[in-house]
Amino acid sequence: QSVLTQPPSASGTPGQRVTISCSGSSSNIGARIVNWYQQVPGTAPKLLIYNNSYRPSGVPDRFSGSKSGTSASLAITGLQSEDEAEYFCATWDESLNAYVFGAGTEVTVL
Amino acid sequence: QVQLVQSGAEVKEPGASVKISCKASGYTLTSYHIHWVRQAPGQGFEWMGAIKNPRGDTTDYARKFQDRVSMTRDTSTSTVFMELSSLKSEDTAVYFCAREFPESHYFDHWGQGALVTVSS
Repeated sequence: QSVLTQPPSASGTPGQRVTISCSGSSSNIGARIVNWYQQVPGTAPKLLIYNNSYRPSGVPDRFSGSKSGTSASLAITGLQSEDEAEYFCATWDESLNAYVFGAGTEVTVL
Repeated sequence: QVQLVQSGAEVKEPGASVKISCKASGYTLTSYHIHWVRQAPGQGFEWMGAIKNPRGDTTDYARKFQDRVSMTRDTSTSTVFMELSSLKSEDTAVYFCAREFPESHYFDHWGQGALVTVSS
């Protein structure tokens, strides 16, 4: 059971906008920055969004992140076939004294 | 370029220990923390702990693993090690090392992962 709650799946057609939510509490998202990782099955995760809304160099600007209160979200605009992957939110939890992850959202491009 | 290269897959019996290595290149090991995160088959990620650089003798372990995990480093080879003891079948997972710039709270580079299978 993950501390951060994400929908298990999301989908869209090429060019559409897909949004993934990540819900937490006052001891994690409410108190800390949120990061997002992308993982293609069988490979290592890749940092997609850090500090709630910043993109590392090389990440396309169709990926964006936001945070409000105890929730965060990742948006993919102009969905492309190569965006098919699993997406995880993550942050530090002050009560657990541990870095915590969402269970992941599998994005399918129809 | 920055790389974290981990040791290979391991098969262990219940009760045994496993030691996984993570060799860093392309940057100065002591400038970043190294975290260990595992992913059981079909599951999400679970944070195990970190070895904090430059204070390489400082570790921060998740409560769940405190009694049976040890993280060490060898600066001469730019390698960090994670040893997990008293293995159980539930420890079967892919183990990743990941780099964090101190206090940035995000992992900007990850190792390729090492599959540990615990089975009798």
